[in-house]
Parts: sequence; structure tokens; C-alpha cells
Amino acid sequence: EVQLQESGPGLVKPSQSLSLTCSVTGYSITSNYWGWIRKFPGNKMEWMGYISYSGSTSYNPSLKSRISITRDTSKNQFFLQLNSVTTEDTATYYCARGGRYYYDGTYYSPFAYWGQGTLVTVSS
Amino acid sequence: DVVLTQTPPTLSATIGQSVSISCRSSQSLLHSNGNTYLNWLLQRPGQPPQLLIYLVSRLESGVPNRFSGSGSGTDFTLKISGVEAEDLGVYYCVQSTHAPYTFGAGTKLELK
Repeated sequence: EVQLQESGPGLVKPSQSLSLTCSVTGYSITSNYWGWIRKFPGNKMEWMGYISYSGSTSYNPSLKSRISITRDTSKNQFFLQLNSVTTEDTATYYCARGGRYYYDGTYYSPFAYWGQGTLVTVSS
Repeated sequence: DVVLTQTPPTLSATIGQSVSISCRSSQSLLHSNGNTYLNWLLQRPGQPPQLLIYLVSRLESGVPNRFSGSGSGTDFTLKISGVEAEDLGVYYCVQSTHAPYTFGAGTKLELK
């Protein structure tokens, strides 16, 4: 069974960095794409970016140079860092299988596996 | 960025009723490889989103066949044939054809 679990601080001060970890079990992150998605208060959802099986990344341009997604394949974890946060970054952050992936003739859709989500509040 | 417009924003249904949700895209979601990467998610209260449908009409494993998807180009529809209590929550269309991937604003399905 594939499971994802987010972890990290629930409260971050404005102008500081938000750092989250996604621990994956049941699936190697050296296969497929792994991403971060956030849900703002209300229903708005935003795709933030992903890291691929090879370690390449793709980010939402709306996050400009604030975002970085990295990984530790030895621990089967990937990470989100979002710099210079403001109160507008307050959201529930989800890690998920994150991109279009084809392997051996089979298509693997993004969004098939999600973590439970972690609420991050930006406040002084 | 691609804008996805979902209607209606709220849907009230009785158990057993069939309902549809529309998702319209600001540009075609047909990829140059011939596939259309339009997905539907359901987020139940207190739960992470769940993938229901991908590639417009393909049912994700384990999803009941009362859910169906259709459409092409810029117009897409999710249909629930006989709403059950467990179907209540917020439905999202999300496109993964064009970067950045984008979500519709959501449709909340409530019991009438």
C-alpha cells in the first residue's frame, strides 16, 4: 500500500522559510513524479511543483524563486522549502504523486496518492 | 495559465438522484501527443482529495462506476448516476496538460 505523510512546523513567522517533509512508503520516489499542492482557506487549490524520478523539478511560476523541492532517495523522502512567506501562504499543504508518467507502456496519472495534509499558519 | 471554470459552485441532491458538474477550460486540453489530461477529484470533509477520473473518462481503480466523465477540447462533464451519502464533498476538475497544472474552484455537493 502506498502511503504519504507530511511533517513539519505548523506555525511559521512572516519572512521566514516554510519547510516540509513528505515520507513515502510502498513506492520508490526514484520512480514517477512527486509533488506539492496546497489548499487555501476556502476551496482554492494550487499546484506548487514536483520533483521527478530523475531529480529534475518543475515549479509553478507564481511562486517565482521562492520554492525549492528536493529529495533524499536513501530515506524515500522529498521536501518543500518556501522562502519569504507571508500570511497569504497560510494553507493546508499536501504531498501527492505529482506528474504525468509513462513506464513500460502504462500511464500513471498524477493525484492518485495523497498525504493527509498539514496545516501551516503564517503568523507573527 | 489555464483557467478552469466549474459550474455549479454548489449542488444540492437527494440520495439516488443523478447530477452533473461542468468544467470549462480557457484553452484546449488536448496535448500534442493526442491525450487530454483532465482529471476529477473528490475531497470529502476532513480527508485529502481522492482521484476519481483521469484522461477525461478513465475510472481510477476502486472508484464506483456510478461516476463517469466525458468531454473533449475545452468542455468536460462529471456525472454521478445515483448519488450516495458517501459522495458528499467538494469536487474539483484539474488539468495536467499544460504547466502549471491548474484546478477549478470546486463544486460542493450537499444533501437536499
